[in-house]
This record gives sequence, structure tokens and C-alpha cells, in this order.
Amino acid sequence: QKEVEQNSGPLSVPEGAIASLNCTYSDRVSQSFFWYRQYSGKSPELIMSIYSNGDKEDGRFTAQLNKASQYVSLLIRDSQPSDSATYLCAVLEGSQGNLIFGKGTKLSVKP
Amino acid sequence: DGGITQSPKYLFRKEGQNVTLSCEQNLNHDAMYWYRQDPGQGLRLIYYSQIVNDFQKGDIAEGYSVSREKKESFPLTVTSAQKNPTAFYLCASSIDLGGTYNEQFFGPGTRLTVL
Repeated sequence: QKEVEQNSGPLSVPEGAIASLNCTYSDRVSQSFFWYRQYSGKSPELIMSIYSNGDKEDGRFTAQLNKASQYVSLLIRDSQPSDSATYLCAVLEGSQGNLIFGKGTKLSVKP
Repeated sequence: DGGITQSPKYLFRKEGQNVTLSCEQNLNHDAMYWYRQDPGQGLRLIYYSQIVNDFQKGDIAEGYSVSREKKESFPLTVTSAQKNPTAFYLCASSIDLGGTYNEQFFGPGTRLTVL
């Protein structure tokens, strides 16, 4: 069974701090990785995708991928209360091409 | 505006009823998906479709059915055989299925409650 693991949280950080969200996956052949943000009662919104080892930056967000360690992370710099949400890690599985989602990490940014 | 629409936003079902959830996209995407989300759980794949008139079962297809008669539309029917249908249902689409850059985009969801 292919799995994506995330700490459920809640992860609480003060406003202006860096939030670090982590994700591990079991499918060694996975090539594509995604982070979604989901506000309470709303649908997931794609915020980052990463396909190569290393870092990918987009505004205050940085995704980091290490395929050898089967690990992907999301850093949020200068965290704002509006970043408070559940962050879902998703991995494109190698065989059928479907996304496998983690259960999400709930982030709370305190003013 | 390009996007994915789902209707209704809220749906109430009585025991023994079949209900159909609508999903429409105008992104010209080939692939469409249905997920179910329960509180504190990740998204679980119900059905997916790569092209018109073709669809595949996902991890939890029992008690559900779909059709794909048009590229833009992928309705989901929750049948009376689904024993615990109360959940948040999410429709998604992507340019194609299985490509490396398979970014999936979600509709706003339908919240189904069994009375």
C-alpha cells in the first residue's frame, strides 16, 4: 500500500516566523509532488508543485524535495494568520498516475 | 472564467435514495476525478476518467457510479448501496492523466449528509 505520511499537528507558529511542514512517501518511483492548502470547509487549493531534487521558491513558499530520502517539505516564510489552514501533501504514484494524499497538517499562525 | 463547478453545495439524502452530484469544467482538461474526504482524513479516490466514455475505479468505488458522456462533465451518483455516504465530495481535473506535470485542480465541493 503506497502511503504519504504527514504530522497531523496542529503546528502553531507566531506571526512572522517560518513554518516548516514535512511529508514522507513510500513510492520510490514517484516523480511529482504537490502541496495543497485547504481552509476549513473549503476545497484544496494547489500552492506548490515540485519535480526535481532541491528547492523551489514561489513568493513566501519554498518546497524542498529529497527523492533519496523520500521526503518533501514546505516552508512558509513570514507566516501570516491568513496562512492558518490544513496543508495537504500529495504524491503522484508511479503506476496508475493518480495522486496519493496525506491526511494533512493543520497550521495555526498566532498574531 | 475558467474553472470547475460543483452542484449542489449541500445535499441531504434519505436512506435508500440515490443522489447525483454534478461536476463541470471549462478548462479543456482531459482527466477528471472524484474524491471523498471525511473529517481528519486524507482525500480518497472514488473514480477517475481519462477520456470521454471511459472511467476507472479508484480505491473506494463501491456504492458509487459515474458517467463521462462529455469532456466537460463527470457526474457522480451515490447509490443506496453506499452504507456511509456522509462526507465532503470533491471533483478535480487535470490536463491529462499520469503525466509528470499532473497538476490537479479542485472544484468547491459538495457536502452530502444522510438524514
